[in-house]
Amino acid sequence: KQEVTQIPAALSVPEGENLVLNCSFTDSAIYNLQWFRQDPGKGLTSLLLIQSSQREQTSGRLNASLDKSSGRSTLYIAASQPGDSATYLCAVISNSGYALNFGKGTSLLVTP
Amino acid sequence: SQTIHQWPATLVQPVGSPLSLECTVEGTSNPNLYWYRQAAGRGLQLLFYSVGIGQISSEVPQNLSASRPQDRQFILSSKKLLLSDSGFYLCAWSGGSGNTIYFGEGSWLTVV
Repeated sequence: KQEVTQIPAALSVPEGENLVLNCSFTDSAIYNLQWFRQDPGKGLTSLLLIQSSQREQTSGRLNASLDKSSGRSTLYIAASQPGDSATYLCAVISNSGYALNFGKGTSLLVTP
Repeated sequence: SQTIHQWPATLVQPVGSPLSLECTVEGTSNPNLYWYRQAAGRGLQLLFYSVGIGQISSEVPQNLSASRPQDRQFILSSKKLLLSDSGFYLCAWSGGSGNTIYFGEGSWLTVV
């Protein structure tokens, strides 16, 4: 069974810092990996999708990398802002399945 | 553009009462549809997914059921709610395996 782990569980940084969120998964036979953002009490917003054949994806200040062989992905946030405060979730679809397996998320707080 | 609607947004129900949460998707056809639950302090748990009308796969045995009466409509139901059914329920859709998955705003269910 695919297990997805996110480290750290919580992170607090001052505004302007660059930061990295980590995600690991136990089964490297994945179809793709997706990063989401969740604001308190809200649904999930898709940030980036990386197909298994890709190494990274970029959107604005966000960059996600994928190392399938080692079962790792990172989400890099450049020049963090207070508006980036949220929970960030990593999820993978395994080759054998249709649906996402989620980590428990990293709760990010960016202080002014 | 595609949109996903989910309702009701919040619900307080007594133990033993029935449940019906509804989700509809607009702007696409034959989407994959999903129901997830997010309980306090836990990650997102896949409950059901559907790749077509009348095709429902259950990931977790429980007193919940799902139906897909129309192509873009997905309903989560229960005949008798338990206290443990409390949580945040999220509907989601994708254009197919390997595509980005998009989530609705969620429904907060409190069973009292």
